Amino acid sequence: SYELTQPPSVSVSPGQTARITCSADALPKQYAYWYQQKPGQAPVLVIYKDSERPSGIPERFSGSSSGTTVTLTISGVQAEDEADYYCQSADSSGTVVFGGGTKLTVL
Amino acid sequence: EVQLVQSGAEVKKPGESLKISCKGSGYIFTSYWIGWVRQMPGKGLEWMGIIYPGDSDTRYSPSFQGQVTISADKSISTAYLQWSSLKASDTAMYYCAADLGSYGYKGFDYWGQGTLVTVSS
Repeated sequence: SYELTQPPSVSVSPGQTARITCSADALPKQYAYWYQQKPGQAPVLVIYKDSERPSGIPERFSGSSSGTTVTLTISGVQAEDEADYYCQSADSSGTVVFGGGTKLTVL
Repeated sequence: EVQLVQSGAEVKKPGESLKISCKGSGYIFTSYWIGWVRQMPGKGLEWMGIIYPGDSDTRYSPSFQGQVTISADKSISTAYLQWSSLKASDTAMYYCAADLGSYGYKGFDYWGQGTLVTVSS
């Protein structure tokens, strides 16, 4: 089955840059989507179609793609960015999956 | 304003049936995919399946095919997730979410508040 692999945790100091990767286990890779989830809240879409940012999402959030890996980058991390982040994509048959999630800790 | 409002928390016994709902408003319900996502306690998000209310086209994750049923009543702009026989392992938060960005059902830009389902004897 199609899988997306994320690091379980990433830690950064305020003002630094956080990079969270999401690796697919096969080609072709479809577009990826990134969600932020804070404790007790529903997920929020922060990046769509690999690198597009929805309205209302701060510019410090960006996305990129290379081969079978997509990356969520948060520049100038703020304390409020501490959350779980999930990538989402689909395989060639259209089966959609989420990555296992990455806990971002702001030190 | 787009809203997805889910039904309230449920406490059920193993073997019982259950149907939870998600009412969409502020957009044309029949024109966009709406799906369900499971989050077990302390765990990650799992994509369960999705429906296009306009023609009831439904897709399931292989992990959930045959375990749940997704449906929609377009006359009241409501999507449903149902179980015929609950198990303790169905205890989780369930979110509905909609693809209003026309991502080909591959992404969700609006989410409901979640419905907590607890299955315990």
